[in-house]
Amino acid sequence: NAGVMQNPRHLVRRRGQEARLRCSPMKGHSHVYWYRQLPEEGLKFMVYLQKENIIDESGMPKERFSAEFPKEGPSILRIQQVVRGDSAAYFCASSPPGAWTNSYNEQFFGPGTRLTVL
Amino acid sequence: KQEVTQIPAALSVPEGENLVLNCSFTDSAIYNLQWFRQDPGKGLTSLLLIQSSQREQTSGRLNASLDKSSGRSTLYIAASQPGDSATYLCAVSRETSGSRLTFGEGTQLTVNP
Repeated sequence: NAGVMQNPRHLVRRRGQEARLRCSPMKGHSHVYWYRQLPEEGLKFMVYLQKENIIDESGMPKERFSAEFPKEGPSILRIQQVVRGDSAAYFCASSPPGAWTNSYNEQFFGPGTRLTVL
Repeated sequence: KQEVTQIPAALSVPEGENLVLNCSFTDSAIYNLQWFRQDPGKGLTSLLLIQSSQREQTSGRLNASLDKSSGRSTLYIAASQPGDSATYLCAVSRETSGSRLTFGEGTQLTVNP
């Protein structure tokens, strides 16, 4: 059972360009979370999604950031018109459905995408 | 608003020493607490998960305890090895399913040969 997969692992963008980060959850997991780790800071929650639904986006910046988790395919975190302050590591995590026994909301993390904005 | 604090921020010990990492949280209404390990430039590896109804969990040389009422958890590492060098993060979850994790800033551990 493959773990959480993220791509690309490293992404370089110039100011004003768009960044698209992809996350494939573990097999059978229906919950996806995105977290951001700014340089020298801890991980901060951004958004929580289930298939075709955004459940909690309270940690997402109001402008330029969006996320989706379509019925088919990976979850996408999209950053429009990137600025230097967006440079960070973006981590995706997944957890099993709540109906699974012994799941306890344990979250499993991907390797992250390191975004550098020039 | 939940806040998670980890002490110390950094720790350097000689190989073989037993050590304790501390985590505290301000809101005791948690569902579980997870300890993670993060190597430089890498993702997070889940080490232990403690449900709010549990007092401790063990895995190999690691033992994590939870005192929910006082808002504290400790991660005990026995007989430390250089390969244990990493940043250790604790995170709390409020609800049973589909709930964000609130992370501490981490403890950067260095085990010297």
